[in-house]
Amino acid sequence: AQSVTQLGSHVSVSEGALVLLRCNYSSSVPPYLFWYVQYPNQGLQLLLKYTSAATLVKGINGFEAEFKKSETSFHLTKPSAHMSDAAEYFCAVSYNNNDMRFGAGTRLTVKP
Amino acid sequence: GAGVSQSPRYKVAKRGQDVALRCDPISGHVSLFWYQQALGQGPEFLTYFQNEAQLDKSGLPSDRFFAERPEGSVSTLKIQRTQQEDSAVYLCASSLAPRGSGGSPVQYFGPGTRLTVT
Repeated sequence: AQSVTQLGSHVSVSEGALVLLRCNYSSSVPPYLFWYVQYPNQGLQLLLKYTSAATLVKGINGFEAEFKKSETSFHLTKPSAHMSDAAEYFCAVSYNNNDMRFGAGTRLTVKP
Repeated sequence: GAGVSQSPRYKVAKRGQDVALRCDPISGHVSLFWYQQALGQGPEFLTYFQNEAQLDKSGLPSDRFFAERPEGSVSTLKIQRTQQEDSAVYLCASSLAPRGSGGSPVQYFGPGTRLTVT
């Protein structure tokens, strides 16, 4: 069975500071991994995806994530937070079958 | 281009009423998924369609939940005799490829329907 754990339901950073949102997965086989962002009253928007082509994945809005098999992690980072990054972020895992399992989400707050 | 659309965006129902939620997927997308997102939680899978065939309904919480996609495009999620625990955001997503076809299965999400049962 595959599942996703997001450590920290709420992360708060200052504008310009590093953003680090943690995601660990459990999967018996190499998974596909995704980060989605959800702004208030909107659906989920794909930030980036890992599909085994490269361990460091660059996404939209300056975000990137690194797949670390030894740590079963896929943490999301951004060097410098912007006020517009405030949203809910979801990590998700899938293996070859389009079934997607989501983490509980991390709410990012950016302080001025 | 047009993305996934859902209607209505907000629905308030009295306990016991039936509701119908609509999803218009991206044109040409074979796969269609319904998810339920409770407050403060990630989306939870409800059901999956490949074209008009409902191949997986393992996530439907009770027999009060029913989904259809009769022509392989628009889908409707129906909830009969709504209960307060049905209050959630219902998300629809579509994907180009059939489930299990390999590749990178990106799902594109609609804005959701927020259902409140009073």
